[in-house]
Order: sequence, then C-alpha cells, then structure tokens
Amino acid sequence: DARVTQTPRHKVTEMGQEVTMRCQPILGHNTVFWYRQTMMQGLELLAYFRNRAPLDDSGMPKDRFSAEMPDATLATLKIQPSEPRDSAVYFCASGFRGAKNIQYFGAGTRLSVL
Amino acid sequence: KQEVTQIPAALSVPEGENLVLNCSFTDSAIYNLQWFRQDPGKGLTSLLLIQSSQREQTSGRLNASLDKSSGRSTLYIAASQPGDSATYLCAVRNISNFGNEKLTFGTGTRLTIIP
Repeated sequence: DARVTQTPRHKVTEMGQEVTMRCQPILGHNTVFWYRQTMMQGLELLAYFRNRAPLDDSGMPKDRFSAEMPDATLATLKIQPSEPRDSAVYFCASGFRGAKNIQYFGAGTRLSVL
Repeated sequence: KQEVTQIPAALSVPEGENLVLNCSFTDSAIYNLQWFRQDPGKGLTSLLLIQSSQREQTSGRLNASLDKSSGRSTLYIAASQPGDSATYLCAVRNISNFGNEKLTFGTGTRLTIIP
C-alpha cells in the first residue's frame, strides 16, 4: 500500500530552535508539495518540486524556511529559527504529473513552537 | 487572486439523510476542481476531481457538480453514514497556473453524521 510518509508526526520545540521535517514521497511520483494548515489560514501551499527541482516557493517565508529534495526519495522542510507563529500542521503530498494531477497526502507533522 | 469559500463551516445531519456541501470560487478560469476528505489527525484524501469541461463526477454515494460560470461546486452525499463524518475541502487549480500545479483550498466544512 503506497503512501507518503512524514516524520516526525509531532514536534515540540522552543522558539529559536531549528526544525527539520522529512517526507518520503510515493515511489515513482515526480512532484512533491509542502503545505501548512492552521485554523486561521486553512491550507496553504508553501513550495513544490517537480523532478526534484523547485518550481514554486512563493508561499514560503524565505528568511527562515527552506525546502530541498536531496534525492527522489526524500524531501525536507527546514525552519531556522523557529517562531511561535510557525505552529501548525505541515503536510507533504506527492503526485505524478499527467495522472490528473491528483495529490496524495501524508499524515502531517504537527509542530508546536513554544 | 482566487478565493475559495465553503459554507457552512460545520454541519450535523442524522444518519441516512442526503446532504449537499457547497464550494464557491471567485475566479471562474479554472482548470479543475477537487473535493478532498480530511479525517482528524490525518492528511487529505482526494474524493473526486472535475475537469473544467465536465459538469459532474460520481463515485459511489458521492456526486460532485461544477458550474464554472457561477463559480460554484456542490458535493452531494447520498444516504449518509457515521463513517462519512470528516472535514470536506474543495480545491481549485487555475488556468493561469496551468504549468503550475498549485491548488487553492477552501477552509472546509466539518461534517458530523449523527447515528
């Protein structure tokens, strides 16, 4: 049963600390998306990659957030330094361009910055 | 800028009833529209995808319709069951984003089916 795997599932950290979230997309998928979900803003796209190349990161605060795909099986989202307003659930999704562009979501990382 | 609205934010109905969830969008130049389901503590699961040239899509007890000109979509759930309880989100992909797979999401409707 292919699925998108995100780690960790929960993260509690103190303000100023670095946070790294990881995502393993479904094997064979060539697009990877990072979303942030909050009660106030709903679900927002932070960045997305196609064939490991960043295509759109306009939704991501550039001063503290960075997203990379070191290889086809791993995507990372890093926050440095973290702030309380970064507290949210971060979702990774993957898909295959052409297959109706359906995105398959991971279970998310719930981040709390104290 | 595309804005997607879902009203109501929450809905409770008795088991067995048919129900309709609503989604409206401000920019009718869309490529497609999707309905997702989100269970508590889980990610999103795609339910139905309607291309801009289509009027509706059906999957089991679910039927999604699309009226591009009025900027509206509905998700019809027949014979509701407690297992249908979840948050339902709609998302649109704009034509202006054709080369970009960015989706704009609504804030969702939290559905509770009362046994």
